[in-house]
Amino acid sequence: DAKTTQPNSMESNEEEPVHLPCNHSTISGTDYIHWYRQLPSQGPEYVIHGLTSNVNNRMASLAIAEDRKSSTLILHRATLRDAAVYYCGTLGGSQGNLIFGKGTKLSVKP
Amino acid sequence: DAGVIQSPRHEVTEMGQEVTLRCKLISGHNSLFWYRQTMMRGLELLIYFNNNVPIDDSGMPEDRFSAKMPNASFSTLKIQPSEPRDSAVYFCASSPRTSGGTDTQYFGPGTRLTVL
Repeated sequence: DAKTTQPNSMESNEEEPVHLPCNHSTISGTDYIHWYRQLPSQGPEYVIHGLTSNVNNRMASLAIAEDRKSSTLILHRATLRDAAVYYCGTLGGSQGNLIFGKGTKLSVKP
Repeated sequence: DAGVIQSPRHEVTEMGQEVTLRCKLISGHNSLFWYRQTMMRGLELLIYFNNNVPIDDSGMPEDRFSAKMPNASFSTLKIQPSEPRDSAVYFCASSPRTSGGTDTQYFGPGTRLTVL
């Protein structure tokens, strides 16, 4: 199972872009990269996932390195409501469980 | 859809007592995951089921913990006897399990367990 590593914490200013990195150097060729976030006192919620190509949705963008050993979650304009712990994980077709990292606590300053 | 439902939301019990946590899956989902979250260890997967069958229980801490899916929409996580170190937030999540690596997990609000 691919292990992920993330910085413990990051800070951002409101309305500025945020780049949250994740290393998954042991990822296999069929594992997808997933990002979840956990707002205070809530369960984690899905943000985005991808395999090889960069992905965009209404919440964020996911940039995946060409060798797939790392990825970056991009919040284009951080808001105060984006303050949360962001988890990077991998999920393979043959396994049913996400392997989460320790998460990055994002603080957003007004 | 109401989402994943967990009960109780908060549980305070004394050491040695039996604790049962409950989870109702989203209708149509067939994978169920139990997680435990603490400050020290973060978010840990305890066990997961596909189609009511336990697939991986390697994260279950010890024999005091057991999990069941008596039917396709409901699961219980039981701790007997409970100990103070079991104090944590317990989450369950369900997934449609449609195509492996693209499956999204939907988490419940969690049960905060305190064992005195």
